[in-house]
Amino acid sequence: KAGVTQTPRYLIKTRGQQVTLSCSPISGHRSVSWYQQTPGQGLQFLFEYFSETQRNKGNFPGRFSGRQFSNSRSEMNVSTLELGDSALYLCASSLAPGAETQYFGPGTRLLVL
Amino acid sequence: GIQVEQSPPDLILQEGANSTLRCNFSDSVNNLQWFHQNPWGQLINLFYIPSGTKQNGRLSATTVATERYSLLYISSSQTTDSGVYFCAVGPGGYNKLIFGAGTRLAVHP
Repeated sequence: KAGVTQTPRYLIKTRGQQVTLSCSPISGHRSVSWYQQTPGQGLQFLFEYFSETQRNKGNFPGRFSGRQFSNSRSEMNVSTLELGDSALYLCASSLAPGAETQYFGPGTRLLVL
Repeated sequence: GIQVEQSPPDLILQEGANSTLRCNFSDSVNNLQWFHQNPWGQLINLFYIPSGTKQNGRLSATTVATERYSLLYISSSQTTDSGVYFCAVGPGGYNKLIFGAGTRLAVHP
């Protein structure tokens, strides 16, 4: 069974631009969560989706948004990029919310210049 | 919110040595997981252990929920064990996890 896939793997943007990251969960998994990892703040929860509904959101500005499609694939969008948005963005999937095991994708490394 | 503290922050071992990593959390949780992040950034789930003890090969973990701490034991360490080990907790029923700052482990041959 294929693992969680994230595209693109690497991305370079400039301040003020917007970016869309994609996550395809493991087949059969319906829950997707997103995390941001930076050297200064560590791993921080962004949002959680299940059945196309956002169930939980972390403490991030409104520039960060996401959605989930009917096939459970998820996208997150960051508008008006800032230098501080440079990070590794990780997506995790599980069968359902609260499932014991979450499987993480390889991440998207975003660099904002 | 829940605070998660991991110790030590850094650990250097010779191959074959044993180690214990600790995770303290500030409130009761229904979800506690240990992860290993390899040098390429991939997070691998090691244990789901909100309470009790589990073992998987050279790794084992124990969580004492009443005292709000968890321990990860690595025995006979290998160079491939290098990376960052994270403890993450959550309220249960949701997938939101609160991560500790991690323990960076380097195993030298």
